[in-house]
Amino acid sequence: QKEVEQNSGPLSVPEGAIASLNCTYSDRGSQSFFWYRQYSGKSPELIMSIYSNGDKEDGRFTAQLNKASQYVSLLIRDSQPSDSATYLCAVKRFFSGNQFYFGTGTSLTVIP
Amino acid sequence: ETGVTQSPTHLIKTRGQQVTLRCSSQSGHNTVSWYQQALGQGPQFIFQYYREEENGRGNFPPRFSGLQFPNYSSELNVNALELDDSALYLCASSRTPPGQGAFDYGYTFGSGTRLTVV
Repeated sequence: QKEVEQNSGPLSVPEGAIASLNCTYSDRGSQSFFWYRQYSGKSPELIMSIYSNGDKEDGRFTAQLNKASQYVSLLIRDSQPSDSATYLCAVKRFFSGNQFYFGTGTSLTVIP
Repeated sequence: ETGVTQSPTHLIKTRGQQVTLRCSSQSGHNTVSWYQQALGQGPQFIFQYYREEENGRGNFPPRFSGLQFPNYSSELNVNALELDDSALYLCASSRTPPGQGAFDYGYTFGSGTRLTVV
């Protein structure tokens, strides 16, 4: 079982719609959760971090965490073509030798 | 505030050779981590350095080694290169070592070094 799992996609949404990206993790001891955006050929860029159950909003982005169900999601409202990228979910376990575990990413395409 | 810079951007090496990749951390960041990202995969943790010492290591063989310097810059060395070492190598810096505080701030990644082993 992988530490972090994401649907690879591709996920396509029309411009202006809500894009929903999901991630599940295997270790209940995980404490910190992150979403990164990676454009093709570029390095990952931190979008959101979330540590507590519930929702966290930042502009058009909302991260949701449910530790009981071991999933974290990212909602992108009013999707723009510039949001087209691969979105990586990253999880930090409480005792993990200081490493972050990344999923394989979900490819999102926003259609104009 | 300068970001994380890596050099070189691209590199082609022959199987069996050795390579050194370099990274300058973001201003104010004292911890550097290295990740390997194969095509279509998420980044895989290689190791982390804090105060010039290795502070965590992933599932990579000893031919992957590193250094951190007093100015927090870092090197990744890979000996006896194999074809499977072809990947994007990412350096990431952070303000505090993950695990040292109640929460983690997350990384700032450099632009990466694309290594091709032929």
